[in-house]
Amino acid sequence: AQSVAQPEDQVNVAEGNPLTVKCTYSVSGNPYLFWYVQYPNRGLQFLLKYITGDNLVKGSYGFEAEFNKSQTSFHLKKPSALVSDSALYFCAVRPTDDKIIFGKGTRLHILP
Amino acid sequence: DVKVTQSSRYLVKRTGEKVFLECVQDMDHENMFWYRQDPGLGLRLIYFSYDVKMKEKGDIPEGYSVSREKKERFSLILESASTNQTSMYLCASSRGAGTLGNQPQHFGDGTRLSIL
Repeated sequence: AQSVAQPEDQVNVAEGNPLTVKCTYSVSGNPYLFWYVQYPNRGLQFLLKYITGDNLVKGSYGFEAEFNKSQTSFHLKKPSALVSDSALYFCAVRPTDDKIIFGKGTRLHILP
Repeated sequence: DVKVTQSSRYLVKRTGEKVFLECVQDMDHENMFWYRQDPGLGLRLIYFSYDVKMKEKGDIPEGYSVSREKKERFSLILESASTNQTSMYLCASSRGAGTLGNQPQHFGDGTRLSIL
């Protein structure tokens, strides 16, 4: 079965430090990959996507994500975390022949 | 900016009631989606629609139906509400190509539904 895994339920990072939120997937073909963020009492907001091309994708709010085909991963990164980055982050994968699949989410806590 | 508006932020209903959740988008998107979000389970797709009067079942359609009479409006219907349908419901829309496209989805702020 096709799946998306966010192996960490929660990630804690000190403000100013780099952050990484992990995502791995198991799907057929060459999928489209997305990251979304959800702030409290809000819907999901699109951050960035990978379709093809450069493995490093830049998105909103200073976030970027690195696509690694051999490891089937699409980790979200930011060089310097802000307290305001604290939120719930979802990885999503759209296989070439099927509907989009969302991961279960990773709660990011940025500690002042 | 795309705006997806869900009619209620909070809703409390009783077991057995017929419940309507409404969603409107203002960007002429072809595709619209209904998800439920539960802690530890992420987002699960209930139904989606890629055109007016078209609908497709998602992963968990049981106990739900949908209606799309106009392009901008997508309604989720709980035919006979049950306590296990207490959840956060999220509506989303996206441009073109049904669910097989590469366009991001735009989400509403959700309806937190409690079934007593």
